Amino acid sequence: DAGVTQSPTHLIKTRGQQVTLRCSPKSGHDTVSWYQQALGQGPQFIFQYYEEEERQRGNFPDRFSGHQFPNYSSELNVNALLLGDSALYLCASRKPRTSGGTETQYFGPGTRLLVL
Amino acid sequence: DAKTTQPNSMESNEEEPVHLPCNHSTISGTDYIHWYRQLPSQGPEYVIHGLTSNVNNRMASLAIAEDRKSSTLILHRATLRDAAVYYCILRGRLGSNYKLTFGKGTLLTVNP
Repeated sequence: DAGVTQSPTHLIKTRGQQVTLRCSPKSGHDTVSWYQQALGQGPQFIFQYYEEEERQRGNFPDRFSGHQFPNYSSELNVNALLLGDSALYLCASRKPRTSGGTETQYFGPGTRLLVL
Repeated sequence: DAKTTQPNSMESNEEEPVHLPCNHSTISGTDYIHWYRQLPSQGPEYVIHGLTSNVNNRMASLAIAEDRKSSTLILHRATLRDAAVYYCILRGRLGSNYKLTFGKGTLLTVNP
């Protein structure tokens, strides 16, 4: 059973460019979240997708957008890249909603983005 | 989101127990306490969670204070593979808080 997969593993872009990162959730999972992790910091929540719609969003500008496909995979798009966007971008998936509020999230290995 | 406080770093010797503390004095009655860890060059992974009672699983134990204002993650016999950043996170009930709010966590170093 494959876990959460992300592509590419590493990426180098220049300021002003646009980037698309991809995520395939764990089998049987329908909800995908994206996180940004700067060096030495904990991951910060960007947004979450469920049923192909953005359901919750963290404190990130509109330059960060996403999409979820019918097969539950997801993309994160970042426009007009800034040097400060250099980070590890993590995707996490979880099972369909259940009772109890204890949904475990499963993280992928991340995509390391470097903006020059 | 209710806040958690953890030491920046801790050190342990291999095969000894490790107690990782977390303070969460503003926890609400419906918040679950979750622990995740992040090994070097990997994404975070779930370790354990609890509400009021102590919990055990194959990876660790979670001891929750009676007033729920603090908790301790216990690794019974640390191995070199347990060297990671450990995050203590509060999760709200279903429908109220889907995201995980990470702090800086505790960097655990395990000495051979």
